[in-house]
Amino acid sequence: AQSVAQPEDQVNVAEGNPLTVKCTYSVSGNPYLFWYVQYPNRGLQFLLKYITGDNLVKGSYGFEAEFNKSQTSFHLKKPSALVSDSALYFCAVRDGGSNYQLIWGAGTKLIIKP
Amino acid sequence: DVKVTQSSRYLVKRTGEKVFLECVQDMDHENMFWYRQDPGLGLRLIYFSYDVKMKEKGDIPEGYSVSREKKERFSLILESASTNQTSMYLCASRTGDWGDTQYFGPGTRLTVL
Repeated sequence: AQSVAQPEDQVNVAEGNPLTVKCTYSVSGNPYLFWYVQYPNRGLQFLLKYITGDNLVKGSYGFEAEFNKSQTSFHLKKPSALVSDSALYFCAVRDGGSNYQLIWGAGTKLIIKP
Repeated sequence: DVKVTQSSRYLVKRTGEKVFLECVQDMDHENMFWYRQDPGLGLRLIYFSYDVKMKEKGDIPEGYSVSREKKERFSLILESASTNQTSMYLCASRTGDWGDTQYFGPGTRLTVL
């Protein structure tokens, strides 16, 4: 079955430290992977995506993600966390059997402490 | 910039009422989506429209219907609201290219009493 897993409900990081939000997936065919962020009481905002090419993808607000085919992972990273990065982060992957639907992870709450 | 707007940020309705949630996008996108978001469950697709008057059921269509009479507008209808439909509802739009980004509206937090 096709799926996306975000194994951590919550991640706590001190401001200035590097952060990682984990995502693993299982899909048929080539994976097309996305990260979105949701700030409190807001809709989702696109951060970055991997379709093909370089395994390291750079996105908005200094975030990047590394596609690892052998580990079926697409972890979101940032070298130095800001308090303003505190939000809910969602990983999503295109459903290999569909040309429109994304499969969404449950979300990871990122808390950056001053 | 793409703009997706939703008719209400907060809505309170009573059980049994008919509820309309409206979504409008201004980028001439072919595809539009309705999701519901519940804590710990991520986003679940209710309905999808790939063109005017065209719709497809998502993962949880029961108790919902949709309407897309114009390209820019996609409506979600709760025929008879129930308390288990209390949730955050998110609308999104996208070009017809599946690799493209989905753009989301701000969401409507619906409470059914």
